[in-house]
Amino acid sequence: GQQVMQIPQYQHVQEGEDFTTYCNSSTTLSNIQWYKQRPGGHPVFLIQLVKSGEVKKQKRLTFQFGEAKKNSSLHITATQTTDVGTYFCDVSGGGNKLTFGTGTQLKVEL
Amino acid sequence: SAVISQKPSRDICQRGTSLTIQCQVDSQVTMMFWYRQQPGQSLTLIATANQGSEATYESGFVIDKFPISRPNLTFSTLTVSNMSPEDSSIYLCSAQGAYTEAFFGQGTRLTVV
Repeated sequence: GQQVMQIPQYQHVQEGEDFTTYCNSSTTLSNIQWYKQRPGGHPVFLIQLVKSGEVKKQKRLTFQFGEAKKNSSLHITATQTTDVGTYFCDVSGGGNKLTFGTGTQLKVEL
Repeated sequence: SAVISQKPSRDICQRGTSLTIQCQVDSQVTMMFWYRQQPGQSLTLIATANQGSEATYESGFVIDKFPISRPNLTFSTLTVSNMSPEDSSIYLCSAQGAYTEAFFGQGTRLTVV
């Protein structure tokens, strides 16, 4: 079956530092989605990537889809305390039941 | 986008009892799903709630323990039956149209004592 790993599992950063989480699949993906879950909250959709090598930006967040469509990354520039939460990738292919990665929990310290 | 109202938000239940969780979507959606999430863990899919037919359960989850209803395209319920402390978790419903992102309810934090 499909295996999806996210690394790192946890990340503590000082406010202002950059942060990156990686999502790696054992199989080629049709597309990938990213979600953010704040502590005590529910997952919220961030972005969908479809094309090989695609890069999308949302303010300080940069999302990238690997050339082979087997991995993806989420990079946050100059983290803020509002970035705290767990970031999940989803490799369901969109429109199907979500297949979440293991998640990366981000903590930002002042 | 879709707004999902999930209730109750939390409950403390006695073992051996059952709890029904409801999710109401503000628009018609193609698919609805139920997930379980342990603190600090990823989401585990329980089942797909099918409108007008029996839900489709994932491995390790059975209808007798987690009966699901979906009478129309905007509403679904999940019942956690004959509860034990091992059922303590956060339960989340989600809804999505075809090839669109998923939207989640606020979650139900269940504690079984």
